[in-house]
Formats: sequence, structure tokens, C-alpha cells
Amino acid sequence: GAVVSQHPSWVICKSGTSVKIECRSLDFQATTMFWYRQFPKQSLMLMATSNEGSKATYEQGVEKDKFLINHASLTLSTLTVTSAHPEDSSFYICSARDAGRETQYFGPGTRLLVL
Amino acid sequence: GENVEQHPSTLSVQEGDSAVIKCTYSDSASNYFPWYKQELGKGPQLIIDIRSNVGEKKDQRIAVTLNKTAKHFSLHITETQPEDSAVYFCAASKNYGQNFVFGPGTRLSVLP
Repeated sequence: GAVVSQHPSWVICKSGTSVKIECRSLDFQATTMFWYRQFPKQSLMLMATSNEGSKATYEQGVEKDKFLINHASLTLSTLTVTSAHPEDSSFYICSARDAGRETQYFGPGTRLLVL
Repeated sequence: GENVEQHPSTLSVQEGDSAVIKCTYSDSASNYFPWYKQELGKGPQLIIDIRSNVGEKKDQRIAVTLNKTAKHFSLHITETQPEDSAVYFCAASKNYGQNFVFGPGTRLSVLP
């Protein structure tokens, strides 16, 4: 149980294009999902908290117009990196909060490379 | 806000030995402390967690201890195996699964 999937697992795109990453909780409902960014050999940095049916809450320094988050259902949240640039290249990881267990389960991550 | 420190940053042990990783937190209101294992190129995997009303929890070769007074918690892995090699992250939360603050991570290498 407590499986979170992410799609795609990796993506390469040209500078200026937009990329959408999907995060799904497969066997539980997640009223809250989180998006993290991780640079090589570093810890996870929370970008935003996504609540089903409401606007996401962004951490300080994260541009909400650049990283669009939609949490349309209890099992799906999406992160869209708009007008991607090489500095946006990173490992993006989502997590979903299982209210029953009161903890977060992480997806496998999406590696984004912007050329 | 909450600050979580983690030591050591790297740890090498011989197969079969024990490994201990320690985290300290600053906010006495934190009440939930999970540990995650992250293998190269993968997402973090929850391996054990502890809540503030418990001092110790064990799951086979893995145990976590919590000292609320000193504001630190530790991960103990016994009889280490090569497949235990990974980066381990601790985290602290005030809201049981919300608003995690992660430690910087410990890279564990188990040498055969």
C-alpha cells in the first residue's frame, strides 16, 4: 500500500517550452500533496503544498507563475514548469499525505533536463 | 522556524556492523519524526517513523529513538547489509505529516 507514482520519470526539453509532471496516489486519497526539488547531493527543498480543490501554497522564493500546480482530485496533482530554462534542470519529487497514517509517501521523482 | 541538523554526513561501516545516524531539531512543538531512505535516482522511501508520545520504535533491523528533552532522535540499523547503502534523511513535523523540515542527509556505505 501507500504507492505514489510520477510521470514522466525523466524528460528532456528545449529552453522556453513547458513541461507537465503528474503525481498520483494509487491506493489512498491525498487531500494534500507536496512538490519538492532536489539538487545533486543535497536535501529535499519544499517548493509548494498542494491542497485538493484550492490554490497551492508556495514557499518563499518559488515563483508561482513559473511553477503552476493543479490538484484537481484526491489522487492527482500536476506541476507545470512554464518556459523552462537550463537552471530549472533538477530532480522534482512529489509526495502525498496519507491522512490515515498521518505521513507523506514520496513518488519516484522526475528528472528534468532543459537544454 | 524549525531547523533540523543531521550527523554524520557520511558513514562507512563493515557489513554486519551497526550504523547510527543522529538528528537534532529546534522546535519543541514538533511531534512527528520520520526517516527516509533514498537510493540513487529514486524517490525517498519511508523506513520508520516515531511520534512524540513514544520514546522508541523498532522494526526488524531498524530502530528509532526519541529524546524530547534534548530534542534529538536517532536511527539505528543493526546487522547492516550492502543493500542498506543509500542516503538517509530525517525530518521533523509539527502537524503529523505536514510541513516536513528535512535534515541534510547521511550517505551510508556498507562495505562487504
